[in-house]
Amino acid sequence: EAGVAQSPRYKIIEKRQSVAFWCNPISGHATLYWYQQILGQGPKLLIQFQNNGVVDDSQLPKDRFSAERLKGVDSTLKIQPAKLEDSAVYLCASSRLAGGPSREQFFGPGTRLTVL
Amino acid sequence: GESVGLHLPTLSVQEGDNSIINCAYSNSASDYFIWYKQESGKGPQFIIDIRSNMDKRQGQRVTVLLNKTVKHLSLQIAATQPGDSAVYFCAENIMRNNDMRFGAGTRLTVKP
Repeated sequence: EAGVAQSPRYKIIEKRQSVAFWCNPISGHATLYWYQQILGQGPKLLIQFQNNGVVDDSQLPKDRFSAERLKGVDSTLKIQPAKLEDSAVYLCASSRLAGGPSREQFFGPGTRLTVL
Repeated sequence: GESVGLHLPTLSVQEGDNSIINCAYSNSASDYFIWYKQESGKGPQFIIDIRSNMDKRQGQRVTVLLNKTVKHLSLQIAATQPGDSAVYFCAENIMRNNDMRFGAGTRLTVKP
C-alpha cells in the first residue's frame, strides 16, 4: 500500500509571496488532515476534511491560509501572503475514517517551508 | 486551554537499557491516546495506542501505560536500540471526531 505523498519536499520563499502544497492520501482514505509543525514542537492540526467537506478548520488562519479537497482525494494547502512565522513543516495525514477503530492517521513526509 | 504536555524534553539511554517516556494530559474528555515516533525528515509514525477503558497495552518491545487518575501516559521501550533514536510524541484524541492534539515531544538518544 502506497503511503501519503506530499510535494514539494522543500520550499524557500520570501515573505509576502504565495506558496501551495499538495497532498495525495492513501487510496480509500476518507479523512485528510493538514498539520503545521514548527521546529521543536508537536504537529498542530490546521484543517480536517471528511471526503470533500471540511470537518474542522478552527485552527486555520483563514486570513492567509486556505485548503481544498475538491474531488475528495487530493488536497492543496495555500498560504497567501506568507509571513516569517509560517516557516515550518507542513504535514499531511490520512485515515480511513474519522473516529472509530479505523482512525489511525498515516503521515506523509511533510513539506519544509522556509520564509525569508 | 487544555493541552497535552511532556515532562522531559530529552532522554539519553544506553543501548540495551529500557526507556521510559512520560506524558501528561489535561483534557478529561480524551478517550484515546497514541504514541508516535518521528525520525528526522519524516512524518510521525504510529507506535501504539490505548483507549481510556484500558490501563496497559503491550506491543513489540513497547508498552503504554495509562493512569487516568493523574492523567498520565507513559511509553516504555524495552532493550532500546540505536534505531529507536527519534522524537516521541504523545497525542490525545476524542473518539467521535478524531481531532488529535500532540504534545511537544521528547527526543530519545540511544548511546552505543
